Amino acid sequence: DAGVTQSPTHLIKTRGQHVTLRCSPISGHKSVSWYQQVLGQGPQFIFQYYEKEERGRGNFPDRFSARQFPNYSSELNVNALLLGDSALYLCASSLDRGLNTGELFFGEGSRLTVL
Amino acid sequence: SQQGEEDPQALSIQEGENATMNCSYKTSINNLQWYRQNSGRGLVHLILIRSNEREKHSGRLRVTLDTSKKSSSLLITASRAADTASYFCATGEGGKLIFGQGTELSVKP
Repeated sequence: DAGVTQSPTHLIKTRGQHVTLRCSPISGHKSVSWYQQVLGQGPQFIFQYYEKEERGRGNFPDRFSARQFPNYSSELNVNALLLGDSALYLCASSLDRGLNTGELFFGEGSRLTVL
Repeated sequence: SQQGEEDPQALSIQEGENATMNCSYKTSINNLQWYRQNSGRGLVHLILIRSNEREKHSGRLRVTLDTSKKSSSLLITASRAADTASYFCATGEGGKLIFGQGTELSVKP
């Protein structure tokens, strides 16, 4: 079975540009969460989507947005990139909202470098 | 902001030794999880312990939880070079987890 897949794996952007990151959850998983991991830190929660609706949002500016599609895949968009947005962006899926098990399945991440 | 604090931040041991990592958290929880991350890659779920459990085992892993002290520990017994990774504790539910800053474990052959 395919795990959580993310694309692209690496990308380089310049300040002010826009980026779109993509995530395909494990087949049958309806919940997708996005995390930002700055080098040397633990992941920080950005968004959760379940059944195509936003179910949670972390402490990130409005430059960050996301959506979930009918096939449960998801996109994370970041506008007006700043140097501080350089990080590993992780996508995680779970079968439900995670209220029962809490276990998340993570993809390998998209490493964004902003120059 | 981080919910948990891991201690130590870095740990270096020899193969065959045991490794113990500690995690403290701030708010009441329903469960606590431990994840592993190989250098710059995705996180892998190791074990979940519920608030009404005090200890849980999975293979070479032993997790304890003390809700009165708001702390947890992860013990890896008979460590192997392949255990070299960063280990994170996490609290929360519903896809929204709050991670600590992690313990970087190095196991030398």
